[in-house]
Amino acid sequence: RKEVEQDPGPFNVPEGATVAFNCTYSNSASQSFFWYRQDCRKEPKLLMSVYSSGNEDGRFTAQLNRASQYISLLIRDSKLSDSATYLCVVASGGSYIPTFGRGTSLIVHP
Amino acid sequence: NAGVMQNPRHLVRRRGQEARLRCSPMKGHSHVYWYRQLPEEGLKFMVYLQKENIIDESGMPKERFSAEFPKEGPSILRIQQVVRGDSAAYFCASSGRTSGRANEQFFGPGTRLTVL
Repeated sequence: RKEVEQDPGPFNVPEGATVAFNCTYSNSASQSFFWYRQDCRKEPKLLMSVYSSGNEDGRFTAQLNRASQYISLLIRDSKLSDSATYLCVVASGGSYIPTFGRGTSLIVHP
Repeated sequence: NAGVMQNPRHLVRRRGQEARLRCSPMKGHSHVYWYRQLPEEGLKFMVYLQKENIIDESGMPKERFSAEFPKEGPSILRIQQVVRGDSAAYFCASSGRTSGRANEQFFGPGTRLTVL
């Protein structure tokens, strides 16, 4: 089983839709969780950290489920500009080295 | 702009030549990570450095690749005797906090290496 797994997609949704991605991780000792966004041929950019209690930033909501070892990202009211690849990032406790998932591709169309 | 800087943005080398990639971390950051990304692939960790120290190089190929982060100046990723399989995007990221676990990383724009 891979350390961090994501559905590669693509998720093809119309503007205004709500879309959710999940990411599963294999190491139960993982403590740090993040979502990054990467546009085509660009660098990854931090979207949000994921906290145990869940957190929200505008149209984006991130949640952590430790029992089932997955994190999720919910995007409400999708915009064309949300089209990108979303990377799930997980790091084990005490480790400075994060593991990146291969990403989920989102395409928002008019 | 105090973001992470990488140069060159594009680098073309012939097989057997050396490639030297530079990364200047965000101001105030002392932790540097190097990643490699092949087309349609995820980011693969290569090496983690702090000033004058290699902390973790578990993702670095054993031969031809080396990295440093001197007391003064940028971090350097050096690839000797490049081969076609080295063609990829190489990203550098920096992080500032030292809380004992992985923290948010900020990425540079990357260097796209093409080996002819």
